[in-house]
Amino acid sequence: IVLTQSPLSLPVTPGEPASISCRSSQSLLRSTGYNYLDWYLQKPGQSPQLLIYFASNRASGVPDRFSGSGSGTDFTLKISRVEAEDVGVYYCAQAQQTSVTFGGGTKVEIQ
Amino acid sequence: QVQLVQSGAEVRKPGASVKVSCKASGYYFRSYGITWVRQAPGQGPEWMGWISTHSGETRYAQKFQGRVTLTSDTASTTASMELKSLRSDDTAVYFCARNGDYSQLGRLDHWGQGTLVTVSS
Repeated sequence: IVLTQSPLSLPVTPGEPASISCRSSQSLLRSTGYNYLDWYLQKPGQSPQLLIYFASNRASGVPDRFSGSGSGTDFTLKISRVEAEDVGVYYCAQAQQTSVTFGGGTKVEIQ
Repeated sequence: QVQLVQSGAEVRKPGASVKVSCKASGYYFRSYGITWVRQAPGQGPEWMGWISTHSGETRYAQKFQGRVTLTSDTASTTASMELKSLRSDDTAVYFCARNGDYSQLGRLDHWGQGTLVTVSS
């Protein structure tokens, strides 16, 4: 399964919304009713951190300005009001099959 | 609190092997699987494999089949990743991560700090 993210780079203004797209080459919806799509943020010099799992569930401790949506092959991560601490590279990842693949990443920078 | 603490940086020559450890604490080790992911310089994450800390069952990415071995020790709550026949393009930061859900290979909810493995002659 190939995940394609867009845009590759996203200049953002603090306080403004931001949106990242992730498109899958195959459906990530399983018979469980869940979409096996996660979102991670890797801040500069740090390990990735889980933001969203099952496409729309916020991980523990993640601010509610982050939200995930979508089903099947098209998914979106939205930040309602960007803060300076949100800069880094965002990755989507799928676990629908017996392996995991990551998208190419979207670099979010403050403009 | 949940912590995954990895062993320190390693330098190896081509053809050698490396073993990276991941010490888990702050939760019941056998209730969550451990995944290994690597990240080459300037690249995105790459999934290597998963191990059930309960049964020892493993799943490996096809790319690494035959070269990577994942193990876990419940007594020491430590997971390990051994990579053999190293090449220069194996130079990367290697991460362990906890699977937050046993029903799937994703949902990596806690990560180690990463271990830099450098392969150079």
